[in-house]
Amino acid sequence: DSGVTQTPKHLITATGQRVTLRCSPRSGDLSVYWYQQSLDQGLQFLIQYYNGEERAKGNILERFSAQQFPDLHSELNLSSLELGDSALYFCASSPDSGTEAFFGQGTRLTVV
Amino acid sequence: KNEVEQSPQNLTAQEGEFITINCSYSVGISALHWLQQHPGGGIVSLFMLSSGKKKHGRLIATINIQEKHSSLHITASHPRDSAVYICAAIYGGSQGNLIFGKGTKLSVKP
Repeated sequence: DSGVTQTPKHLITATGQRVTLRCSPRSGDLSVYWYQQSLDQGLQFLIQYYNGEERAKGNILERFSAQQFPDLHSELNLSSLELGDSALYFCASSPDSGTEAFFGQGTRLTVV
Repeated sequence: KNEVEQSPQNLTAQEGEFITINCSYSVGISALHWLQQHPGGGIVSLFMLSSGKKKHGRLIATINIQEKHSSLHITASHPRDSAVYICAAIYGGSQGNLIFGKGTKLSVKP
């Protein structure tokens, strides 16, 4: 158990809908990272938050947004969902940007 | 363009064999991650290293900064080692700038 908790584990939704994925980092970790793993693209970095502020942005679509709350948990919001958004979404956390990150178990999103 | 290449893509071994998975990257990095992804999908961080060698149990990771190359070795392989092994290069000192390899799918037969 990495100490990073993601909910829900599985999510099935229809095209055009909006979903929210939640991540609770390890106790004391200030950095939260979101990654997407799809069959054709592999693992890709989406976005990083550090202590509530956006720190780095990767290949995140405009339909996607994230935030980190004062208690350091983070949410990834995916809207106007398309079939191609079906993927595993991972959250990871670390004490700061330069240290090793620990991954949650992922949320498997299926868009039908 | 920052790229990470892994080889082989697929690897089948007999229990007890010594296994090597290779990772090369295109430009200078600050560190490299080795990750293990089990069939259920969960990802476990195995090593993060920026120089030399690290060992944990039967797993050994090495990195050669000059050659832009890292290897993950598994000694006395076991069927429970069957998983996808992913290397990820960290550029610019931040975990946020992780560029992932496509993974090596390892299957260890009893």
